[in-house]
Amino acid sequence: QLQLQESGSGLVKPSQTLSLTCAVSGGSISSGGYSWSWIRQPPGKALEWIGYFYQSGNTYYNPSLKSRVTISVDRSKNQFSLNLSSVTAADTAVYYCARDLDGSGSYWSYWGQGTLVTVSS
Amino acid sequence: SYEVTQPPSVSVSPGQTASITCSGDKLGDKYACWYQQKPGQSPVLVIYQDKKRPSGIPERFSGSKSGNTATLTIRGTQVLDEADYYCQAWDYSAHVVFGGGTKLTVL
Repeated sequence: QLQLQESGSGLVKPSQTLSLTCAVSGGSISSGGYSWSWIRQPPGKALEWIGYFYQSGNTYYNPSLKSRVTISVDRSKNQFSLNLSSVTAADTAVYYCARDLDGSGSYWSYWGQGTLVTVSS
Repeated sequence: SYEVTQPPSVSVSPGQTASITCSGDKLGDKYACWYQQKPGQSPVLVIYQDKKRPSGIPERFSGSKSGNTATLTIRGTQVLDEADYYCQAWDYSAHVVFGGGTKLTVL
């Protein structure tokens, strides 16, 4: 059973960099041709796609966040990470990592439990 | 930037049919999928590629698309279906966008 678990700092100061990690168990990031994604949800608001990557290494970002986002992969640890720079209060959200259903498209069926990140001084 | 629009809320009586729409310019050229999210929980994929249902999702959930409008239909709605539902559009050019969500109330 594939499981994803987010971890990282729950409190980040404005202008600093938010860093989160998604640990994957029950499956390998390096196989299957799946897309692995970061998605966030501000409190009481809608979901927002941040970016995703494929096993091949191709990475895609939400154009509205692209200048501040980096998604990286550590295949040796079977985990991937999110860095979001120059954060503001608007970046306060629950951050989810997810994997797509079958490697055929951008629809995510495996989700972590989410981790709340608050941006505040 | 590309957007898809959902009604903020939909109400339905138990046992009746609920329909939630998702509209967007050129949605006809993209794929739609739908997620159910209950309070404090992660989203659950209920429909993908416009009308396909993942394993384990009850048959009462169905999806369709006509032109630039996708629709999630829940037949025989149950109280446990009360949740927020999100539409998501995507295409093979890596364009991904979520709708604003629809709160489904079953009463």
